[in-house]
Amino acid sequence: DAGVIQSPRHEVTEMGQEVTLRCKPISGHDYLFWYRQTMMQGLELLVYFNNKAVMDDSGMPKDRFSAKMPNASFSTLKIQPSEPRDSAVYFCASRWANTEAFFGQGTRLTVV
Amino acid sequence: QKEVEQNSGPLSVPEGAIASLNCTYSDRGSQSFFWYRQYSGKSPELIMFIYSNGDKEDGRFTAQLNKASQYVSLLIRDSQPSDSATYLCAVNPSGTYKYIFGTGTRLKVLA
Repeated sequence: DAGVIQSPRHEVTEMGQEVTLRCKPISGHDYLFWYRQTMMQGLELLVYFNNKAVMDDSGMPKDRFSAKMPNASFSTLKIQPSEPRDSAVYFCASRWANTEAFFGQGTRLTVV
Repeated sequence: QKEVEQNSGPLSVPEGAIASLNCTYSDRGSQSFFWYRQYSGKSPELIMFIYSNGDKEDGRFTAQLNKASQYVSLLIRDSQPSDSATYLCAVNPSGTYKYIFGTGTRLKVLA
């Protein structure tokens, strides 16, 4: 398996634009997590899914962020409108049951 | 109080020494504990996990868990310059399937 695959690897956008981050989890994994990492806050959990259903999105700013998992092999995290404070590295991770989580390579987002 | 707390460091140790990294957590019912290593510009990768009180050894790494005191630690024996990285502690709070991460401790192993 190729591991967790995220795209794009880097994204630079202007404030106010819509940004969509994509993630393909490891096949067979039933949990998918979206994290945001900054120097100040570390790894923050934004949202996680179990079998495509949202289990907890309490860490996600609801007014501008949305996350979807339309099928078991694909998830998106959308930011609209984007703001400079959204600049961070966004990681997607997946796991099976209560085992270890595997992380993708991350998307470095810069909002100017 | 943060759910998972770590000293940000940097923790500097000479090559060959033992590095000791600590983590405390607030949810007394937490069941699973993980240590991840993250090199600069890379994604976190799992080093060890521990579920039961006591020690768990894997090569040069030992994880220690004390649920009564709500802390988990990672010992790295015979530290190498290649161990220089940020070490993240992750906790699985009770009643959930999510992982909460600490902000990480930066370790520097001096050659």
